[in-house]
Amino acid sequence: AQKITQTQPGMFVQEKEAVTLDCTYDTSDQSYGLFWYKQPSSGEMIFLIYQGSYDEQNATEGRYSLNFQKARKSANLVISASQLGDSAMYFCAMREGGGSSNTGKLIFGQGTTLQVKP
Amino acid sequence: DAGITQSPRHKVTETGTPVTLRCHQTENHRYMYWYRQDPGHGLRLIHYSYGVKDTDKGEVSDGYSVSRSKTEDFLLTLESATSSQTSVYFCAIKGQGERQPQHFGDGTRLSIL
Repeated sequence: AQKITQTQPGMFVQEKEAVTLDCTYDTSDQSYGLFWYKQPSSGEMIFLIYQGSYDEQNATEGRYSLNFQKARKSANLVISASQLGDSAMYFCAMREGGGSSNTGKLIFGQGTTLQVKP
Repeated sequence: DAGITQSPRHKVTETGTPVTLRCHQTENHRYMYWYRQDPGHGLRLIHYSYGVKDTDKGEVSDGYSVSRSKTEDFLLTLESATSSQTSVYFCAIKGQGERQPQHFGDGTRLSIL
């Protein structure tokens, strides 16, 4: 069965340092996609980064990068040079399957709360 | 920002009453989704739609129904609200293509007393 696991309920990081948020997944599909979202205390869900299962390179978007290890079924989010505004809850999510007819349904992990210390 | 609006943003109601939440999009996207968010569970899919009048169940669909009579509107109905349905409800939309992310509305905080 499809499953996403985020084992870190809460984390702290010093401002300007890098931090890694863990995400492991379980799926029997060969084609799938992994997403990371940020949820600040104001409550909105903000899309950060996407990794496709067939992508040859790890995804990067500004200060966000995804450490994708397919054999280990992990898709960890790396935030470089943390800022106070990075304090939020972070969710890893997976889309199972692919192709033009895919419905795009996501399953989410339980989330990791990140606090950036000044 | 993705053109997606949820209404109401907050609602308090009593057990046993019907409740309808509305999701409105201006992006003409085919796919729309309803999730609920509860502490310790992340977001869980309730129902989704892949076109007008085309809907299907998600992981936690019991006690909920949906309707989509036009592309821009996706309604979530709690036929007879229970306290266990107290939650934050998010609507999301997605464009065509597997690499497209879902974009979320601002959420509806629903309290059932």
